[in-house]
Amino acid sequence: AQKVTQAQTEISVVEKEDVTLDCVYETRDTTYYLFWYKQPPSGELVFLIRRNSFDEQNEISGRYSWNFQKSTSSFNFTITASQVVDSAVYFCALSEMDSSYKLIFGSGTRLLVRP
Amino acid sequence: SAVISQKPSRDICQRGTSLTIQCQVDSQVTMMFWYRQQPGQSLTLIATANQGSEATYESGFVIDKFPISRPNLTFSTLTVSNMSPEDSSIYLCSVEDSVASSGNTIYFGEGSWLTVV
Repeated sequence: AQKVTQAQTEISVVEKEDVTLDCVYETRDTTYYLFWYKQPPSGELVFLIRRNSFDEQNEISGRYSWNFQKSTSSFNFTITASQVVDSAVYFCALSEMDSSYKLIFGSGTRLLVRP
Repeated sequence: SAVISQKPSRDICQRGTSLTIQCQVDSQVTMMFWYRQQPGQSLTLIATANQGSEATYESGFVIDKFPISRPNLTFSTLTVSNMSPEDSSIYLCSVEDSVASSGNTIYFGEGSWLTVV
């Protein structure tokens, strides 16, 4: 069965610190997609990244970077030089190819960046 | 990316009433989904809204409680029927956008915050 685990419930850092949000997933499929979303206090879900199971290259986008390791079934997200505006709940999600794009979400990690 | 608009953005509803949430997309999409996020919780899929046919519901969700319409490829509605305080949640519409991106990216609307009193 598919499952996404975000073990960190809440993380608090001081502005400009680097922070890594962990995501571990379980799936029996060989073809799947992994996502990260940001949910600020306003409630909308902001798409950050999609990664397919055949692409293990790490990705960097500005202060954001993602580390995908199939060997450990992890898809971790790092924010470099965090800012107060990064404060939000971050969700990792899994979609299996045979599941018609349904998303299985982790429980989320609340990130608080203090000035 | 697809632009998704939801109405209402927020509402306070009386127990026992029903409310319909609208989801409008600025482009034609095949897959539309409705998710629920209860306070402090993660997101759970309610159903997949299929154009021209009945919605496909996930375990624990039934059509009588959450009727869904999908009259065309850009619009869907979710009704929350006979509401109770336990239905207080954010309801989010999402779409699979395989055109604008390189495929299989799921985008979300801004959500509809319902509080049942």
